Amino acid sequence: GAVVSQHPSWVICKSGTSVKIECRSLDFQATTMFWYRQFPKQSLMLMATSNEGSKATYEQGVEKDKFLINHASLTLSTLTVTSAHPEDSSFYICSARASANTEAFFGQGTRLTVV
Amino acid sequence: EDQVTQSPEALRLQEGESSSLNCSYTVSGLRGLFWYRQDPGKGPEFLFTLYSAGEEKEKERLKATLTKKESFLHITAPKPEDSATYLCARGGNKLTFGTGTQLKVEL
Repeated sequence: GAVVSQHPSWVICKSGTSVKIECRSLDFQATTMFWYRQFPKQSLMLMATSNEGSKATYEQGVEKDKFLINHASLTLSTLTVTSAHPEDSSFYICSARASANTEAFFGQGTRLTVV
Repeated sequence: EDQVTQSPEALRLQEGESSSLNCSYTVSGLRGLFWYRQDPGKGPEFLFTLYSAGEEKEKERLKATLTKKESFLHITAPKPEDSATYLCARGGNKLTFGTGTQLKVEL
């Protein structure tokens, strides 16, 4: 399958600081990237859908000013958690797909811990 | 609203004991039904894509099938290494996931 690389795989940051997570599609062009959050033993919660060159579409209840998403190229999307607080600690996962009719491939996930 | 429902939530099997996982979904606007496997602390790993009712895909001990309203993931003679959470997702403008089936295969 196609490869999606997510970096970093884990990060610890102090409360009030910002953290950037990168998601790259290594061997295909991703017209759409998705960002998910996952709590322990729960399924994936979609945060936002990002199309290359467009503003991200956020799900209801997700603060767009807190979770900044940029999809500047067909191979890179970033999620920045601004002014992080302990309640933002979670497992964040990105996925990318080439078109609306095709499967999405996932990154390895990023474990964020805010202290 | 797009909906995906998976059952059972959890399944415990003995090694070699075949079973099936169920995924039902809203049909309108469907662009593919996808199955993934997720191990703890990792991103989901893609398994299968199904587009049309009657379609089947196989990989080792897994076979995915699709009807007009449901998809099944059949696991034949499972091994302990098949233990994982299996997720199905509905394709469309968004990729909507079910809550998953947590499979545990014991010796």
